[in-house]
Amino acid sequence: QLQLQESGSGLVKPSQTLSLTCAVSGGSISSGGYSWSWIRQPPGKGLEWIGYIYHSGSTYYNPSLKSRVTISVDRSKNQFSLKLSSVTAADTAVYYCAREAEGPIDYWGQGTLVTVSS
Amino acid sequence: QSVLTQPPSVSGAPGQRVTISCTGSSSNIGAGYDVHWYQQLPGTAPKLLIYGNSNRPSGVPDRFSGSKSGTSASLAITGLQAEDEADYYCQSYDSSLSGSSVVFGGGTKLTVL
Repeated sequence: QLQLQESGSGLVKPSQTLSLTCAVSGGSISSGGYSWSWIRQPPGKGLEWIGYIYHSGSTYYNPSLKSRVTISVDRSKNQFSLKLSSVTAADTAVYYCAREAEGPIDYWGQGTLVTVSS
Repeated sequence: QSVLTQPPSVSGAPGQRVTISCTGSSSNIGAGYDVHWYQQLPGTAPKLLIYGNSNRPSGVPDRFSGSKSGTSASLAITGLQAEDEADYYCQSYDSSLSGSSVVFGGGTKLTVL
């Protein structure tokens, strides 16, 4: 059974960079046919796709966040990471890592709350 | 403002049938991209409910069904149960001049009366 677990700082100061890591267990992050995603959900609001990285290493980002987002993969540790720069209070959200199976998102992490505050 | 439009809320009594709509445009659902549906119980991560417009993952009851037509999709829940009370999201893909992106609906809160 595939499992994903987010980790990282739960509190980030405005203008700084948010950094999260997603550890994948029960399967290889290098398996073909999947992409590894970051999705966020502000408190009380809906889901917003941030971006994903394919098994090949290609990355695709939400156009509205593209200038601030970097997603990378560490195959040796079977994990992938998110960096979001120049954060503001509007970036406060629960951040989920997930696996996308050529369309549907079939596995999700439990989510981690990141608060942007001084 | 979500690219995919869902009603903010729907409700129904136990045993009834409810539907949740997801309206898009020619750059997403109308372009032929598949629609997927998720159920999010309070305090938990979303769970895949319907994929590829009308397919149920293993373990999802057949009370849940999906359909797609033109620029819209729908999720139907029959035999409503108390445990169905949750938020529901549709998801597709959008490709326009501003770029390509996975997109979600704004979510619909289902209340079981």
